[in-house]
Parts: sequence; C-alpha cells; structure tokens
Amino acid sequence: KAGVTQTPRYLIKTRGQQVTLSCSPISGHRSVSWYQQTPGQGLQFLFEYFSETQRNKGNFPGRFSGRQFSNSRSEMNVSTLELGDSALYLCASAWGGPANTGELFFGEGSRLTVL
Amino acid sequence: SQQGEEDPQALSIQEGENATMNCSYKTSINNLQWYRQNSGRGLVHLILIRSNEREKHSGRLRVTLDTSKKSSSLLITASRAADTASYFCAMSTSGTYKYIFGTGTRLKVLA
Repeated sequence: KAGVTQTPRYLIKTRGQQVTLSCSPISGHRSVSWYQQTPGQGLQFLFEYFSETQRNKGNFPGRFSGRQFSNSRSEMNVSTLELGDSALYLCASAWGGPANTGELFFGEGSRLTVL
Repeated sequence: SQQGEEDPQALSIQEGENATMNCSYKTSINNLQWYRQNSGRGLVHLILIRSNEREKHSGRLRVTLDTSKKSSSLLITASRAADTASYFCAMSTSGTYKYIFGTGTRLKVLA
C-alpha cells in the first residue's frame, strides 16, 4: 500500500508570496490533518479534513487555509507569506473513524523556506 | 502553550542500554500516542494507549499512562543505534484527530 505523499518536498518563497502544498493520503483513508513543525514551536496542529469538510481547526491565522477533494487528496495554502512561516509542513492521514483507533500516518513533509 | 512537555530534552546512551522518556500534559485525554521522527522527516507511529489503559507493550517498547498524574512514559529496552531519533508523545484531548504534540526527546544511541 503506498504511503502518504507530499509535494513539493522543498520550496523557497519570498515574503508576501503564497504557496500551495499537496498531500495524497493512503488509499482508503478519509481523514487528512496538517501540522506545522518549527524548532521554536514544535509540532502545531493546523487543521483536519474528513470527507471534504474541515472537522477540526488549530489556532492559526486566516492566511492558512486548506481543502480536501472527493478523492481525499488535500491541499493547504498559505497566503502573504511571512518569515515565520518557514517550517516543515507535515500531512497525516488516518482512516477517520473514532480517534481511539486512529493512528496517524505521516508524509515526509514539505520544507518551506521564506526569504 | 498547549504542548505536552517531554523530558529529558536529549538523552545519550550506549547500545544495549534502556532509554526512558517522559511526557506530561495538562488536560484530560482520550488517548495518547508515541511517534518517532528521524532527522526532520515524517513521523512514524509507535504505539497508542487509551485513557482507560495503564500499560502497553509492543516489541521492545513499553508505554505507561498515569491519568491521575497526567503523565506517560516510553521505555525502549536493549536500544540499538537505529533507535537514534526524536520521540514525541501526542495527545487527543477530545476524541478527535486534533492532536497536541509534546516537545520531543532527542535520543542518541552510541554503538
């Protein structure tokens, strides 16, 4: 079974630009979550999508948005990039049932550098 | 901060020794999981323990959970150089997939 695929793996942007990251979950998984990882703040939850609906949301500004398509693939977008948005963005897929059984399967991440 | 706290922040041991890392959190949890991360790559799930469980084993891993103390520990027995990684606890506080991660423990196993 193929794992979680994130693209692109690395990207460099400048302040003020926007970026779109993509995540293809494991086949059959309907839940996709996004996390931001930085040395200072650690792993922070951004949002979770299930069956094309945002089911949970973290404490990030509106510049961070996401969506999920009917095939469960998800994208996240960051607009008006700031230097502090430089981070490793991790996508995690899960089958989406009760969280007691819900281990997360992570992709390798997209490393964003904002100059 | 909503993060769980882990200690130690870093741990260096010899191959064959046991490694213990601890996780503390602030709110009630639904379940707690442990993950491993190698060099800034994706996280790999190790073990899940539910709030009504006190101890679980998986291979060389032993996890305990004390909900009265709001803490968990991960024990890796007979460590190997390949266990060198960062280890994170993750808590689901409301039975959802919104997980709060700990600050992580960097483990280095010396051959």
